[in-house]
Amino acid sequence: DLVMTQSPLSLPVTLGQPASISCRSSQSLVHRDGNTYLNWFQQRPGQSPRRLIYKVSKRDSGVPDRFSGSGSGTDFTLKISRVEAEDVGVYYCMQGTHWPGTFGQGTKVEIK
Amino acid sequence: EVQLLESGGGLVQPGGSLRLSCVVSGLTFNSYAMGWVRQAPGKGLEWVSGISPGGSTTDYADSVKGRFTVSRDNSKNTLYLQMNSLRAEDTAVYYCAKDASGPDYWGQGTLVTVSS
Repeated sequence: DLVMTQSPLSLPVTLGQPASISCRSSQSLVHRDGNTYLNWFQQRPGQSPRRLIYKVSKRDSGVPDRFSGSGSGTDFTLKISRVEAEDVGVYYCMQGTHWPGTFGQGTKVEIK
Repeated sequence: EVQLLESGGGLVQPGGSLRLSCVVSGLTFNSYAMGWVRQAPGKGLEWVSGISPGGSTTDYADSVKGRFTVSRDNSKNTLYLQMNSLRAEDTAVYYCAKDASGPDYWGQGTLVTVSS
């Protein structure tokens, strides 16, 4: 079975400082159509998840440019260039290349 | 404006059944794969099931295979999840989501509680 592994699972950050979350897949996420369906979601307390990044590095409309995604194959990273108070929540990577989709365990971002 | 509105959650006894619905508006429903994602209390997200735009292809997480059935009625812009033989570990908020390869729209969720 495909497994998505995130690290760290908890990430205390100082306001204005950068943050980085790693996501590794147990299989390549390159689809036969050539795309890599690796997504990043933010879930604030009490809210539904919100997609931030799709296809590894494409930012969704309305997502601040301090969020960026990178990676290829099996290793991916979400970076926040300067953390703001509204970024507190849990972040999930999710692969959509191999059905059914698979989420990582989640990384809880909190302010120090 | 795209909206996904789930309904059908509630309290059910172990071994019981429940049918969730998700009405979608604001987009061409029959153009998109759809899915269900759940979140147990205090836990992470788990992909439950996906269905192709026309409904001919479906897939399930191993944890629900053989017990849950996903379907859709494109004439009613509605997605369904039939849940049978429910277990305590199925207790979760169930979200309807558009685009199974990376959901860009989510519903608000409906809570399913399996308990005697």
